[in-house]
Amino acid sequence: GNSVTQMEGPVTLSEEAFLTINCTYTATGYPSLFWYVQYPGEGLQLLLKATKADDKGSNKGFEATYRKETTSFHLEKGSVQVSDSAVYFCACGGSQGNLIFGKGTKLSVKP
Amino acid sequence: DAMVIQNPRYQVTQFGKPVTLSCSQTLNHNVMYWYQQKSSQAPKLLFHYYDKDFNNEADTPDNFQSRRPNTSFCFLDIRSPGLGDAAMYLCATSRAQGIREKLFFGSGTQLSVL
Repeated sequence: GNSVTQMEGPVTLSEEAFLTINCTYTATGYPSLFWYVQYPGEGLQLLLKATKADDKGSNKGFEATYRKETTSFHLEKGSVQVSDSAVYFCACGGSQGNLIFGKGTKLSVKP
Repeated sequence: DAMVIQNPRYQVTQFGKPVTLSCSQTLNHNVMYWYQQKSSQAPKLLFHYYDKDFNNEADTPDNFQSRRPNTSFCFLDIRSPGLGDAAMYLCATSRAQGIREKLFFGSGTQLSVL
């Protein structure tokens, strides 16, 4: 079945630093790829998505590009803020419409 | 606004005492999912409904059951909660099944077992 591997955290950055969280996937077919964000004590919110190869998802300064050749969907942001502190989950679509999640990467941004 | 609503936000139960978590949606989506998320772990799919068809994951314990009386509501029943069942329970919906579908999540119910 499909699976997702993302870099383990925690990741601690200073405000305005550049962020990269690596994510690779193994899948049958061409699933959609997603990044979800979870703030402390809350549920998951969709951050961005890409539905086919070379698509770039973007939202709130975050970007990720669907790379079929490297089976990757790395999350990037040029300048992080304290308010970006959260857990980030990479996910790919499963055959039954569910999501296959990575283990999550906790990001802490210090002022 | 159309959304996925989970109640209650926090639920405390006693060891072995049955508990029900609820989820409702105004999106008129066909598919509803229940995920379990333990601390610092990825959400794990327990089961899902496609319309009235129930689909259980192979490793979901028998202690967990679900009901979907209509399109809008879905319930998670834990018959005899153990300490290991303390977790965040996330409900999600999607319009249809498939690898390209976007899921809409509720805010979750944090379950504590005393």
